[in-house]
Amino acid sequence: DIQMTQSPASLSASLGETVTIECRASEDIYNGLAWYQQKPGKSPQLLIYNANSLHTGVPSRFSGSGSGTQYSLKINSLQSEDVASYFCQQYYDYPPNTFGAGTKLELK
Amino acid sequence: QIQLVQSGPELKKPGESVKISCKASGYTFTDYAMHWVKQAPGKGLKWMGWINTYTGKPTYADDFKGRFVFSLEASASTANLQISNLKNEDTATYFCARGGSGLLSRSYFDYWGQGVMVTVSS
Repeated sequence: DIQMTQSPASLSASLGETVTIECRASEDIYNGLAWYQQKPGKSPQLLIYNANSLHTGVPSRFSGSGSGTQYSLKINSLQSEDVASYFCQQYYDYPPNTFGAGTKLELK
Repeated sequence: QIQLVQSGPELKKPGESVKISCKASGYTFTDYAMHWVKQAPGKGLKWMGWINTYTGKPTYADDFKGRFVFSLEASASTANLQISNLKNEDTATYFCARGGSGLLSRSYFDYWGQGVMVTVSS
């Protein structure tokens, strides 16, 4: 099975700052990668799929990039409503659809 | 708009069974797979498997073979998860999630239910 290593585990940033979260796959996943945002007590929400495609309704300050085994989620101009946990998920290898351990983003 | 509405929280004793429902609306139910995801308290997300909503065929991740059953009431656009012989470690929130890649097994999840908290305690 493909392993997903997500970093950092937690992150503190200021309003307006640019934040980057990374995910590394144990082998090439050919852009089969999604990013989700989960606020406390809520279900995850899709942000990015196919490594760099923005899901409907997601603000353009979110972007995804990467290829091969290395992928990243960037949040430009951090807003208070972006405080959440973020998870990556690979869906190239089946089974299973593997999630990263998550990154908890807080305001500084 | 696309919605997945799940049933309410459950409190069960070890050894009992539970059935969770996930009612879909706003799209053609049989065009998209339904996946199930477990989140233990304070933990990350774990994919449990999926059901092909066109054929009704379920597929389970290795850790969810045996006590877990995915089923459909296709006429009601509803997917169900049943867990039998509940154990303390089944305490978690269970999400249904639509497969964004249609009826493919390898998929991202574009819409999620609100989750069902299942608590197993004697």
